Amino acid sequence: GQNIDQPTEMTATEGAIVQINCTYQTSGFNGLFWYQQHAGEAPTFLSYNVLDGLEEKGRFSSFLSRSKGYSYLLLKELQMKDSASYLCALMDSNYQLIWGAGTKLIIKP
Amino acid sequence: TAGITQAPTSQILAAGRSMTLRCTQDMRHNAMYWYRQDLGLGLRLIHYSNTAGTTGKGEVPDGYSVSRANTDDFPLTLASAVPSQTSVYFCASSEGSRSGANVLTFGAGSRLTVL
Repeated sequence: GQNIDQPTEMTATEGAIVQINCTYQTSGFNGLFWYQQHAGEAPTFLSYNVLDGLEEKGRFSSFLSRSKGYSYLLLKELQMKDSASYLCALMDSNYQLIWGAGTKLIIKP
Repeated sequence: TAGITQAPTSQILAAGRSMTLRCTQDMRHNAMYWYRQDLGLGLRLIHYSNTAGTTGKGEVPDGYSVSRANTDDFPLTLASAVPSQTSVYFCASSEGSRSGANVLTFGAGSRLTVL
């Protein structure tokens, strides 16, 4: 079967760095996505990884290890506006997205 | 601004009544999707359409139906609403459906409460 797991909630301080982990189990893999969702709003795309390694995009980076079934989203120089839920989603062998429940990130001043 | 428009934004519905959630996109995307989002759960796919004229069932299709008469519109209908269908519904679209780099664009959501 398929399973995707991420922490329910994390707290970090403004200006700091936070790493949000996502682990998954799947029989087929076509990539891993991260989306950001502010409270009461729609999810918006952050990153996509299909090969092992780190993808950097400004203050946000995403890492993938296919052999370990593991990804993380790294947020640097945290700002109050980064307070949101971060959704990890796996694209399976049928190109269907399997979504994690999301990690709510709380930024404190 | 290009994107996806959903209506209504929110609705309270009596159990047993029917309801259609509307979704329109102006990006000429081929694929469209309906998800529901419930507290503590990941987004769950209700129905999808890879291209105009075709539809498919997702993870939780029971109690819902869709149609895709043209590229832009993808309405979701609840024939006889039940309280367990209380949720936030998101419509989404993507350029294609068979690519691993397929990025979804979401509408703002429709909050439905069934009493």
